[in-house]
Amino acid sequence: QQPVQSPQAVILREGEDAVINCSSSKALYSVHWYRQKHGEAPVFLMILLKGGEQKGHDKISASFNEKKQQSSLYLTASQLSYSGTYFCGTEIPGANNLFFGTGTRLTVIP
Amino acid sequence: EAQVTQNPRYLITVTGKKLTVTCSQNMNHEYMSWYRQDPGLGLRQIYYSMNVEVTDKGDVPEGYKVSRKEKRNFPLILESPSPNQTSLYFCASSFDLAGTQYFGPGTRLLVL
Repeated sequence: QQPVQSPQAVILREGEDAVINCSSSKALYSVHWYRQKHGEAPVFLMILLKGGEQKGHDKISASFNEKKQQSSLYLTASQLSYSGTYFCGTEIPGANNLFFGTGTRLTVIP
Repeated sequence: EAQVTQNPRYLITVTGKKLTVTCSQNMNHEYMSWYRQDPGLGLRQIYYSMNVEVTDKGDVPEGYKVSRKEKRNFPLILESPSPNQTSLYFCASSFDLAGTQYFGPGTRLLVL
């Protein structure tokens, strides 16, 4: 039930854009996005509930396509501070826990 | 300051020697979880608790025990640790499953 994230890793130059995808084989109730910097704990970015809403957090936004059971995280005009590993966590109807993906390692270089 | 604390942060032990990793939160959260993080495998949930005295298995519960006797504390117990339990462990808490999860700083465990 673990969602699949793609790509596994990506390297960007400052100012470039990136998209991270999260796909589930199960119907989803919500998708959570977290970022983990090296040596630190994961930190919450945003939650998306079913309904296809798009949320934003500074220059980081996300969408949720309930029918496709997918979510995408959009990072625009990337900054050095965006570097880290991004995890999606999926909530399945009827389950009482989140299933996290294996993560996408994002590296932003000057 | 709202936070989740874990102790110890680092631990080296030997196979079979019982250990406990403590987790405490000061946000009055109902929901608490334990995760392990291994390279290439992401965050995998070990156990979770929806409230005091209510706990349930996550994805990888084998070899672990938990208890939730008080709302703020959720210790992780390894009765007989084995080398395959060498990992980075995170405790997390939230108001409920749909809420923001606050992670503790992590406990790095090495079992020899």
